[in-house]
Amino acid sequence: QSALTQPASVSGSPGQSITISCTGTSSDVGGYNYVSWYQQHPGMAPKLMIYTVNNRPSGVSNRFSGSKSGKMASLTISGLQAEDEADYYCSSYTSSGTLVFGGGTKVTVL
Amino acid sequence: QVQLVESGGGVVQPGRSLRLSCAASGFTFSSFNMHWVRQAPGKGLEWVTVISYDGSNEHYADSVKGRFTISRDNSKSTMFLQMNSLRDEDTAVYWCAREGGKSLLDFWGQGSLVTVSS
Repeated sequence: QSALTQPASVSGSPGQSITISCTGTSSDVGGYNYVSWYQQHPGMAPKLMIYTVNNRPSGVSNRFSGSKSGKMASLTISGLQAEDEADYYCSSYTSSGTLVFGGGTKVTVL
Repeated sequence: QVQLVESGGGVVQPGRSLRLSCAASGFTFSSFNMHWVRQAPGKGLEWVTVISYDGSNEHYADSVKGRFTISRDNSKSTMFLQMNSLRDEDTAVYWCAREGGKSLLDFWGQGSLVTVSS
C-alpha cells in the first residue's frame, strides 16, 4: 500500500492556472476511475473537491477540474485565488479493496 | 444536515488500548460505508480502515492490520475504532468519514486527537 506520488509543492500567481499530478500504479489509479481530490486548510478536516476523476460536488467552484491518463491523475486549478492556498491530496480505490492517499501537495499563491 | 462527531481520543501509553466512536446524524447511517482516516502531526493523510454499510465487510491498512478493529452499530448510528497495542507512530488526528459511493469521502467529522506517549 504505497502512497500515491504527488509533488510536494506547487505555486502560482493569482489568476494563473496550476496543475497537481498524482501518480499511482495499475492496481489503483491506473485500474479504476475512483480517483478523488481533497483540499485541506490548516487545522481543518479535508474537503472533497473532485470525485471519480473529473466530477465536482455541488458547491465546489468550476475553477477546479480533474483528469486522468493511464496511471496519472491531475487536478487543475484555474484562475488561482488566495483562498486556494491549502494542501491537496489525491486518493484512489485499490485492487485490495482499500483506499490510498497521495503524499499531499502544498499550493502557495504568490 | 449530515454530522459526524468523533469522541474517545486522548493520551495513552504505548502498548495500551483506546476506542474511538463516531456518532452520525442527518442521514441514513445504515446505507453508507464508513471510513477512518488519520493524520500524524505535520504529515499527510493516511487511510486506516473501512466498514461496509451492513458491517459485513472490512478492510485495513497494513500499518494497523491485526491491531485495530472497526465496527458499527446501525441501531445507534455509531461507528467504532478499537485500537490495541498502540505505538508512538499511531499518534495522529483520527477522522471518521462517510463514503458517498465510488470511494469518495463526502463528509468528515471534526477529528479526534490520539497521542501515544509514555
